[in-house]
Amino acid sequence: GNSVTQMEGPVTLSEEAFLTINCTYTATGYPSLFWYVQYPGEGLQLLLKATKADDKGSNKGFEATYRKETTSFHLEKGSVQVSDSAVYFCALSTDRGSTLGRLYFGRGTQLTVWP
Amino acid sequence: ETGVTQTPRHLVMGMTNKKSLKCEQHLGHNAMYWYKQSAKKPLELMFVYNFKEQTENNSVPSRFSPECPNSSHLFLHLHTLQPEDSALYLCASSQDLSVRTYNEQFFGPGTRLTVL
Repeated sequence: GNSVTQMEGPVTLSEEAFLTINCTYTATGYPSLFWYVQYPGEGLQLLLKATKADDKGSNKGFEATYRKETTSFHLEKGSVQVSDSAVYFCALSTDRGSTLGRLYFGRGTQLTVWP
Repeated sequence: ETGVTQTPRHLVMGMTNKKSLKCEQHLGHNAMYWYKQSAKKPLELMFVYNFKEQTENNSVPSRFSPECPNSSHLFLHLHTLQPEDSALYLCASSQDLSVRTYNEQFFGPGTRLTVL
């Protein structure tokens, strides 16, 4: 089946610290991978994406590399800011079966950055 | 207006009330979704519409009734809800559910529902 597992939160960091949020997946077919972010009081926004193995998605200083051999898509940022405080969701979309186009989300990881 | 809008942003209702949530997208998309986001639970996909046709209903109780009159509008009609239905209800849209693999969804800000 299709599923996403991401690290449990909450994650609390000081400003300028290095961030890693782990994400692994199982999928039928060849998935595309996404990170979505939800800021307080808002809906989810696409942060970055990767559609094939070894692709690196990047946006706003965040990066994630599609690793097919380890079925992983870990989110990283070298220096977090207070404004990065949000909930981060890893997700996949598969190209197979009756659930074509559907997004499968992880449980979300709450990140809090202190000044 | 741009993107995906949802109204109302907040709703408090009793268990015997009937209310509706509205979602509108201005992106020219053909697929629309309802999600339920509860505290400490994964995001739950409720319904999916593609070109106004319902393609997915994830065993949602009948007290939730979706309606998609056209590709730009999606409603969620609510009646005789339970307190455990209190949650953030998110609407999303995407280009469609055709053969493409990449399926970016654009989300609205959600409706915070409280059932008393």
